[in-house]
Amino acid sequence: AQKVTQAQTEISVVEKEDVTLDCVYETRDTTYYLFWYKQPPSGELVFLIRRNSFDEQNEISGRYSWNFQKSTSSFNFTITASQVVDSAVYFCALSEGVDAYNTDKLIFGTGTRLQVFP
Amino acid sequence: DVKVTQSSRYLVKRTGEKVFLECVQDMDHENMFWYRQDPGLGLRLIYFSYDVKMKEKGDIPEGYSVSREKKERFSLILESASTNQTSMYLCASSTPGRGEQYFGPGTRLTVT
Repeated sequence: AQKVTQAQTEISVVEKEDVTLDCVYETRDTTYYLFWYKQPPSGELVFLIRRNSFDEQNEISGRYSWNFQKSTSSFNFTITASQVVDSAVYFCALSEGVDAYNTDKLIFGTGTRLQVFP
Repeated sequence: DVKVTQSSRYLVKRTGEKVFLECVQDMDHENMFWYRQDPGLGLRLIYFSYDVKMKEKGDIPEGYSVSREKKERFSLILESASTNQTSMYLCASSTPGRGEQYFGPGTRLTVT
């Protein structure tokens, strides 16, 4: 069965530290998608990235980077030089299947709360 | 700009009341979703709809129903609210085949 595990419930860092949020997934499919979302204190989940299972290239967007490793079924998220505005709950999610119907249902992890202190 | 709105940010209802949560999206998305979010449990799918008048149960549909009469609007109905339905309710929408969903701000419902 498909599953997403975010073992880190809460992480606290001081501004300018680098921090990595872990995500481990389980799936029987060879075609799937992985996502990261950010939920700031306002409550609205914000889409950050989508990665398909055939693309293992790491991605960097400003201070954010993502490391996808199929060998360890992990899709980790690193924030470099963290800032107070990065404080939020971060969710990793998985969708499976090759057809449009299945790729639209997401399985979420339980989230990691990141607190960045000044 | 992508926009999903929910009718209320905070709602307090009494046990046994019928509760309507409304969600509207302006992106012409075919898919719409209702989740509840509880501490330590992440987001759990209640219902989703892939077209007008079409719906499918998610992982925790018990005690809930939905209605989608127009493409842009997806309503979640608690027929008889109970205290264990106190939660944050999140609505989302997406384009088929893209995967990423766009979320509303959430409704924090308290049932007393």
